[in-house]
Amino acid sequence: KNQVEQSPQSLIILEGKNCTLQCNYTVSPFSNLRWYKQDTGRGPVSLTIMTFSENTKSNGRYTATLDADTKQSSLHITASQLSDSASYICVVSAGGFGNEKLTFGTGTRLTIIP
Amino acid sequence: NAGVTQTPKFQVLKTGQSMTLQCAQDMNHNSMYWYRQDPGMGLRLIYYSASEGTTDKGEVPNGYNVSRLNKREFSLRLESAAPSQTSVYFCASSDLRRGTDTQYFGPGTRLTVL
Repeated sequence: KNQVEQSPQSLIILEGKNCTLQCNYTVSPFSNLRWYKQDTGRGPVSLTIMTFSENTKSNGRYTATLDADTKQSSLHITASQLSDSASYICVVSAGGFGNEKLTFGTGTRLTIIP
Repeated sequence: NAGVTQTPKFQVLKTGQSMTLQCAQDMNHNSMYWYRQDPGMGLRLIYYSASEGTTDKGEVPNGYNVSRLNKREFSLRLESAAPSQTSVYFCASSDLRRGTDTQYFGPGTRLTVL
């Protein structure tokens, strides 16, 4: 069964600090891995998508890494801001082109305090 | 360009009542999806429509029906609501590009079934 596990479940950090969120997956056949940001009461918004051949991708202060050998990904947030407070969801896609199935993690709830 | 819109934003039903959740997108996307999000669980796919005129079951289709009215609109119907269907429902749309499809989510409908 395809699974995506995220850690920690929740995290509180001071504004301006960096943090790293983790994602481990058991999905086959792997197609791509996505990170989404979900603000409270809103729908998820895509941050990055990485395919098998990509091991790093950045989107502003967000940098995602992928290790396909160990089936792990991380999302690093640099110089956190209050607006970074949200849930961050790791999503792994399995299957071939046009026939992908997504498995969603339960998310990491990040709180930035001033 | 509103993206993905959903109506209503909130709804309270009594067990056995029926209702239709509406979704529309203005990005000319081919594919549309309905998910539910429950506490402590990742988003789960209810139904999807790969293109206008087609619909397919997802992971948790029981108790739901869908209609792809046209390319823009994709509705989700609960014929006889049950308390287990209390959840937040998200509609999403996507268009395959370079082998991966970024999904764009609506703001969600918060449904409570008493």
